[in-house]
Amino acid sequence: KQEVTQIPAALSVPEGENLVLNCSFTDSAIYNLQWFRQDPGKGLTSLLLIQSSQREQTSGRLNASLDKSSGRSTLYIAASQPGDSATYLCAVTSGGSYIPTFGRGTSLIVHP
Amino acid sequence: ETGVTQTPRHLVMGMTNKKSLKCEQHLGHNAMYWYKQSAKKPLELMFVYNFKEQTENNSVPSRFSPECPNSSHLFLHLHTLQPEDSALYLCASSQDRGGASYEQYFGPGTRLTVT
Repeated sequence: KQEVTQIPAALSVPEGENLVLNCSFTDSAIYNLQWFRQDPGKGLTSLLLIQSSQREQTSGRLNASLDKSSGRSTLYIAASQPGDSATYLCAVTSGGSYIPTFGRGTSLIVHP
Repeated sequence: ETGVTQTPRHLVMGMTNKKSLKCEQHLGHNAMYWYKQSAKKPLELMFVYNFKEQTENNSVPSRFSPECPNSSHLFLHLHTLQPEDSALYLCASSQDRGGASYEQYFGPGTRLTVT
């Protein structure tokens, strides 16, 4: 059974810092990995999707990498802003089952 | 806006009530999902529909009954719920159930409180 862990659980940083959020998974036979952002009480917004054959994806200040062999993905946020404050979730879709497994998320606060 | 809408956004119901949650997607997708998000727990997949057929039921109690009349609409019928069923219920859609490049798009969720 796939298990997804996100570290750290919470992070508070001053504006302008570069951040790294971590996601690890136990079964490397994955279809894809998707990073989401969730604002309090709201739905999830897709940030980046990395297919199993890819190593990284970039969108603006966000860069996500995938290392299947070590069961890890990182989300890099450059020059953080207060508007980046949210919970960041990673979801891994395992090959064969097509069922996404979510981590518990990293709660990020960027203060001015 | 993600192209996935959910109604109602908030719902308070007693344990003996019957209510329904509605999800609609305007993205032309073929797969739709129901998730439950409780405090301090990871997001839990409940049901998956692909081309209107249920493909996954993640051991969900029978007091939750899904319905998918077409690829654009998904319902979750609720009856005789328990207080521990209080949670944020999220609907999502994707192009298809499989496919490495298929992103999931989520609705804003329904905040359910069972009294």
